[in-house]
Amino acid sequence: EAQVTQNPRYLITVTGKKLTVTCSQNMNHEYMSWYRQDPGLGLRQIYYSMNVEVTDKGDVPEGYKVSRKEKRNFPLILESPSPNQTSLYFCASNDEKLFFGSGTQLSVL
Amino acid sequence: QKEVEQDPGPLSVPEGAIVSLNCTYSNSAFQYFMWYRQYSRKGPELLMYTYSSGNKEDGRFTAQVDKSSKYISLFIRDSQPSDSATYLCAMSKGGGSNYKLTFGKGTLLTVNP
Repeated sequence: EAQVTQNPRYLITVTGKKLTVTCSQNMNHEYMSWYRQDPGLGLRQIYYSMNVEVTDKGDVPEGYKVSRKEKRNFPLILESPSPNQTSLYFCASNDEKLFFGSGTQLSVL
Repeated sequence: QKEVEQDPGPLSVPEGAIVSLNCTYSNSAFQYFMWYRQYSRKGPELLMYTYSSGNKEDGRFTAQVDKSSKYISLFIRDSQPSDSATYLCAMSKGGGSNYKLTFGKGTLLTVNP
């Protein structure tokens, strides 16, 4: 089954404690991306990657890092999380059509 | 003016009603148009995918694109409680993965039994 898998589903952390949200896809897609979704603001792209070792900023990249060492994995890294990064995060991969993961609800206290 | 405008609702209808969801956009370069359905706390899932102007039907769902008016619609016939979700429109300038999607903010739909 074609899937985008992200973990964890829920995460509560404290300000400044580094965290990583993992994302993996089994569709052999070259293109992967991260979004955050906030009430009233909709989906906003954080970072995207067009292939292994090729990443670029989306609309709201501040405070986030990504890496793409393998085609199937695209982790999102928050080096020093802050409360304004509390949000619902989605990983996605696509060829012609975009497929989303199930989401990670992050709370930064 | 925002690139994509979508009425956030909420929209509440009785079971069996015809639902009309709409988006307007300002960028005439958009060529590909999509509708996503998102259940609460879940990832958006692709519902309809259309290119350029015209209609596309899939079961109870019909997507309509009017490029001259920069207006797209999603119609749901014989709506069911299971259709209760947030519906997001999205559009892009090209059809491949190199083209960024621009999303509307979503319309929350509730279908009451």
